[in-house]
Amino acid sequence: KQEVTQIPAALSVPEGENLVLNCSFTDSAIYNLQWFRQDPGKGLTSLLLIQSSQREQTSGRLNASLDKSSGRSTLYIAASQPGDSATYLCAVPDSGGYQKVTFGIGTKLQVIP
Amino acid sequence: NAGVTQTPKFRVLKTGQSMTLLCAQDMNHEYMYWYRQDPGMGLRLIHYSVGEGTTAKGEVPDGYNVSRLKKQNFLLGLESAAPSQTSVYFCASSYSPGNTDTQYFGPGTRLTVL
Repeated sequence: KQEVTQIPAALSVPEGENLVLNCSFTDSAIYNLQWFRQDPGKGLTSLLLIQSSQREQTSGRLNASLDKSSGRSTLYIAASQPGDSATYLCAVPDSGGYQKVTFGIGTKLQVIP
Repeated sequence: NAGVTQTPKFRVLKTGQSMTLLCAQDMNHEYMYWYRQDPGMGLRLIHYSVGEGTTAKGEVPDGYNVSRLKKQNFLLGLESAAPSQTSVYFCASSYSPGNTDTQYFGPGTRLTVL
């Protein structure tokens, strides 16, 4: 059974700081890994999807890396802004063709102006 | 393009009452999902559908039923609500299987069962 852990659970940083969010998973036989953003009271928005054959994926100030062998992914946010304040979740599919995707509990990020 | 919409946004039920949550998507996606999100736990899959007229059980299906009569709609029913079903419910859809493709989420329904 796939297990996903995100550390830290919460993070508070001053505006402009670069930061790294971590995600670890137990079963490395994955198709891909996704990072989502969730604003309070809202649904999830996909930020980046990294295929198992890729090592990195970038979108604007966001960069996600994937190391399947060690069961880890990081989300790097450059020059953080107050608008980046949200909960960030990573999600990993279960192997074996089942539709199930295992989500982490998330890291709650607060960027202080 | 509305994406994925959910109705209602909020609902309060008494134990034993029934209700239906509606999910609609306008992206012509084959795959649709119902999740619940509880504090301290990741999203958990309740039921899913791989196409019109199909449904399948997810991780936590007990106490819920679903129907996919039309491709764009996925309904989640609670026949006899229990306090343990107090949660935020999210619907999602994807073009390809959810374990290989991006899922698009609705805004959620916050359900309280008294």
